[in-house]
Amino acid sequence: DSGVTQTPKHLITATGQRVTLRCSPRSGDLSVYWYQQSLDQGLQFLIQYYNGEERAKGNILERFSAQQFPDLHSELNLSSLELGDSALYFCASSVTAAGGGQETQYFGPGTRLLVL
Amino acid sequence: GEDVEQSLFLSVREGDSSVINCTYTDSSSTYLYWYKQEPGAGLQLLTYIFSNMDMKQDQRLTVLLNKKDKHLSLRIADTQTGDSAIYFCAVESGGSYIPTFGRGTSLIVHP
Repeated sequence: DSGVTQTPKHLITATGQRVTLRCSPRSGDLSVYWYQQSLDQGLQFLIQYYNGEERAKGNILERFSAQQFPDLHSELNLSSLELGDSALYFCASSVTAAGGGQETQYFGPGTRLLVL
Repeated sequence: GEDVEQSLFLSVREGDSSVINCTYTDSSSTYLYWYKQEPGAGLQLLTYIFSNMDMKQDQRLTVLLNKKDKHLSLRIADTQTGDSAIYFCAVESGGSYIPTFGRGTSLIVHP
C-alpha cells in the first residue's frame, strides 16, 4: 500500500458526460501528479500540482482540468467525454516537487474509466 | 523530449534470471527508475539509480546503467511466479523532474 488513495476505483459513463476523479496523497506529500494509462498511449503524464499551485503540464486535453485543495487532495475533472478517454487514471504523490531518487513518486491504485 | 523504449514481453522459467532492458535518448538523464505494476494495481517503485552509478544491487534486483549506450537493465535473480507483472522503466532528465515512462515490459514466469 503506497498510502495514496484514489476514488472511485471504477467508473462507467456515457460519451459527452463529465466525471470527477479524486486523489488523496500520502501524508506529508505536497505534490500530486496525474497520469493516464491507455493501451495505445502507454503511461502519459497529464499535470502536476504542488501545494495548491499548478507546477507542470503534460499531455492534458483542454477538456480536462485539475486542482489541488488546501487539504492537499486533488481532483481531476474530465468533461465532454469521448470513447478514447477510456483509460486507467493514476494519481501519484511526492514530498516536494524536486524529483530525483528518494524524492520519487508513489502511485495510487488508479481509477478505471470506461466511456460507452 | 525524452524517448524511452522497452520490449513488450519477456517469458522466463521459474528459477531462472530475468533481464529487462530499456533504452533512452536524453544523455542529460539524472535519475532512472524501475517500477512494477501487478494486475489491477498501481505502479510500485522497485529501485532507482543515479546517473553517476554503473550498478546498483538490492537483494534479487540488479540495475545496470550504460550511459554511453543510454541503456538501462533490470536483472531479477531466481525469478518467481510472483514476479509476473509489467515492469516500467522511467527516466528523469536534467531540467525536468517529471519522469518519462516506457511502455512497460510484461514479464511472464512459467513453471
